[in-house]
Amino acid sequence: KAGVTQTPRYLIKTRGQQVTLSCSPISGHRSVSWYQQTPGQGLQFLFEYFSETQRNKGNFPGRFSGRQFSNSRSEMNVSTLELGDSALYLCASSLDGGSGYKQFFGPGTRLTVL
Amino acid sequence: AQTVTQSQPEMSVQEAETVTLSCTYDTSESDYYLFWYKQPPSRQMILVIRQEAYKQQNATENRFSVNFQKAAKSFSLKISDSQLGDAAMYFCAYRSARNNNDMRFGAGTRLTVKP
Repeated sequence: KAGVTQTPRYLIKTRGQQVTLSCSPISGHRSVSWYQQTPGQGLQFLFEYFSETQRNKGNFPGRFSGRQFSNSRSEMNVSTLELGDSALYLCASSLDGGSGYKQFFGPGTRLTVL
Repeated sequence: AQTVTQSQPEMSVQEAETVTLSCTYDTSESDYYLFWYKQPPSRQMILVIRQEAYKQQNATENRFSVNFQKAAKSFSLKISDSQLGDAAMYFCAYRSARNNNDMRFGAGTRLTVKP
């Protein structure tokens, strides 16, 4: 099976712009989670989607949003970009949303905000 | 709130030797899952090993094993017969068994393997 894919891999934006990141989970996986990774804050949970519904959300401002499509592909959107949004954004998929299910991570999207 | 602490920012091991990475966590829950993830320089996060809190037996995956001490809230990772390919950042993570809880990660330990 193909692994989790994320597009684009690298992105450069300027402050105030918005950005959309995409994640395609492993075939058959219905749960997609998003994480932000920065040197200062480490890995932080953004949100999780399961069957097109957001089931859980981390402590991030409303500028961060997401959605999931019927084929389980997910997008994450960040509006009004700030310098502090520069990070590696990781997507992870699992067969189900249960806590014990193994999550498989994608390679990430490196976002740089200038 | 649950927190995960990795007190060793960096560790080093000689090839073929054994190394133990430490992880402690804080929770008031009794049912949860613990994970170790590896993130090589290529950046793709890989699951190394998983432990269910209700299981007393320590999880093992080939050269990787854990020492799970539930009362002490400790979850260390032992890597035996270290290989050059083991060099990476290692993250300890916690996830509640209650529905839909997020994954909490430690700050990571950078492991260097010396030939």
